[in-house]
Amino acid sequence: EVRLVESGGGLVQPGGSLRLSCVASGFSFSSYWMTWVRQAPGKGLEWVATIKQDASEKYFVDSVKGRFTVSRDNAKNSLCLQMNSLRVDDTALYYCARGMSSHDSWGQGTLVTVSS
Amino acid sequence: DVLMTQSPLSLSVTLGQPASISCRSSQSLGNSDGNTYLSWFHQRPGQSPRRLIFKVSSRDSGVPDRFSGSGSGTDFTLKISRVEAEDVGVYYCMQGTYWPRTFGQGTNVEIK
Repeated sequence: EVRLVESGGGLVQPGGSLRLSCVASGFSFSSYWMTWVRQAPGKGLEWVATIKQDASEKYFVDSVKGRFTVSRDNAKNSLCLQMNSLRVDDTALYYCARGMSSHDSWGQGTLVTVSS
Repeated sequence: DVLMTQSPLSLSVTLGQPASISCRSSQSLGNSDGNTYLSWFHQRPGQSPRRLIFKVSSRDSGVPDRFSGSGSGTDFTLKISRVEAEDVGVYYCMQGTYWPRTFGQGTNVEIK
């Protein structure tokens, strides 16, 4: 069974940093592109970032470019999202999802709240 | 960015009746590899999204056959042949052809 488990969310002040993690199991993690999608409270889905299997390609939504980085450790089946210079509008539930052009498996999400 | 526009944004359906959601993209979603990367997701309240349809019309494993996807170019549709109580929630289309990936606004389906 494919499983994606996110962690690392929490309350942080504007300008602060947070590192999200996603641990994968049940499939060959190193064979898949991986993606982060977020959902602000009561709002729709927003794609955030995607990383290739070997991390040679990374893509970001414009609103997080220069502030967020995405990385992966295929030996540990883990995906990370390093979020710096956080803003109030980064507040959201962050999902880890499998795939590049579509996402067939999603985690349960980890909540990031940016507030003073 | 490719704008994905869903309609309607809200849908109230009688159990057993059909439902249809439209998704229009601001650019054609046909890719140079011959595929069209348009997906549909369903999100129940308090749950993570679940993919129903990928590449316009391919149904995911375990998805009931009352769900079907169709369309091409810039115009796509998700149809539910007979709505059941478990179908309530928000439905999103998503394009996976261009960067950045973009989602529709979502369509909230409720039972009348």
